[in-house]
Amino acid sequence: GEDVEQSLFLSVREGDSSVINCTYTDSSSTYLYWYKQEPGAGLQLLTYIFSNMDMKQDQRLTVLLNKKDKHLSLRIADTQTGDSAIYFCAEVNSGNTPLVFGKGTRLSVIA
Amino acid sequence: DAGVIQSPRHEVTEMGQEVTLRCKPISGHDYLFWYRQTMMRGLELLIYFNNNVPIDDSGMPEDRFSAKMPNASFSTLKIQPSEPRDSAVYFCASSLAGTGAKETQYFGPGTRLLVL
Repeated sequence: GEDVEQSLFLSVREGDSSVINCTYTDSSSTYLYWYKQEPGAGLQLLTYIFSNMDMKQDQRLTVLLNKKDKHLSLRIADTQTGDSAIYFCAEVNSGNTPLVFGKGTRLSVIA
Repeated sequence: DAGVIQSPRHEVTEMGQEVTLRCKPISGHDYLFWYRQTMMRGLELLIYFNNNVPIDDSGMPEDRFSAKMPNASFSTLKIQPSEPRDSAVYFCASSLAGTGAKETQYFGPGTRLLVL
C-alpha cells in the first residue's frame, strides 16, 4: 500500500524556525495535509495543500511541496513553546482510499 | 456541534476482560474511522465505515477486535479478550467525505486504554 514517512523527533530553540519533512510514495496524491496533535488530545487539521501547488503560506506556517520528489515540508517560523506537539503528514488520492497518515514527528521546543 | 465524542476517556482493565469503546461522530458525517496510536507503531487505521457499512477492516489486528455501527450516530470498538499489548490510545474520527477528496477528518479526544 501507499506509505508516508516522517522523522520521529525534532528539537528546536524558541524563536528559531522548525522544518518538519515528509516523503510519500503515492504518485496520485491529490491533497496533502498537516495535522497537529497536542498532548492528551486528538489530531486537528493544521493546513493542507493541493497537489498542483508547490507552496502555501498561512501566517507562521509555510508548506512546500516537491511533487517530483514526493516531498512535503512544514516550516514554522518563530517557533513557540506552544508549538510543541506531534505533527502528522497525510495524503489522499483520487481513488477509493482514505487518508494515509505518517507516524508523526514529535516537535520539542526548548525555551 | 460538540465534535466527535468518545467514551470512556480512560479505561484500565485486566487482561482477559472485554473492553468496549464508544464513539459519536459529528452529525451529518458519512464516514467514521477508528485508529489506534502507540509509540512503537504510530497512528494505525483499524477500520472505517461509510453510511454505517464497514468498508475496510484490514487494519483490525486480530479476531479479538470487532467494530459496529448500528446507526449514523453511534459506533463501538470491542476487544474481547483484551491483552496488555492492546494498551494504546484509540481515536475515532469522522468526515463528510472519506476518500479521494479534500475533506478533513475530525478526531475525537481519544480513549486511553491500559490493559494490565
